[in-house]
Amino acid sequence: NAGVTQTPKFQVLKTGQSMTLQCAQDMNHNSMYWYRQDPGMGLRLIYYSASEGTTDKGEVPNGYNVSRLNKREFSLRLESAAPSQTSVYFCASNTGVEAEQYFGPGTRLTVT
Amino acid sequence: AQSVTQPDIHITVSEGASLELRCNYSYGATPYLFWYVQSPGQGLQLLLKYFSGDTLVQGIKGFEAEFKRSQSSFNLRKPSVHWSDAAEYFCAVGGDSSYKLIFGSGTRLLVRP
Repeated sequence: NAGVTQTPKFQVLKTGQSMTLQCAQDMNHNSMYWYRQDPGMGLRLIYYSASEGTTDKGEVPNGYNVSRLNKREFSLRLESAAPSQTSVYFCASNTGVEAEQYFGPGTRLTVT
Repeated sequence: AQSVTQPDIHITVSEGASLELRCNYSYGATPYLFWYVQSPGQGLQLLLKYFSGDTLVQGIKGFEAEFKRSQSSFNLRKPSVHWSDAAEYFCAVGGDSSYKLIFGSGTRLLVRP
């Protein structure tokens, strides 16, 4: 039981390049989330998927797209990376409103 | 507006001393409250959570937190800090049908030997 896994762990992009961050959970959770973490700002929600087949914007969605591929997988895509997207990205999942979110180990992304 | 405030950016305590980390929230619905801990380079681990019932909740690693509705607070406490408790601590609130959590900006705990 691996919990929430994320790939890659580290990535360096040049401005304008695109990439997809992958997230998978093996806990049969309905809901999945993408956050970014920046110093002094805590975690900010980018997008979330309350259930398979649905996605919604969070607090900071600009510059990102998501795909809920199936119940297990939720990917985050940067179409044209910008230096402002340098951050640590976390994926999380849970089973509903009363359940805590379980977090992956994070992806550290640097855009130069 | 929904928000979580952790007023202390950094806190330094001596090993063996007691600890209290503050958390205040603003939330329109009945809040579900969480404390997470993050060690350097790691993801977030749940310390404890409050949904309903007894307002004093116990968590892992000897931590506890008290929900005070009148003060909109959910402060985290530990009677005796260990060097391994040095980490960043995040308070979060949720509870509406969107299942989203709102996080505070975090408090970094440093432990003096």
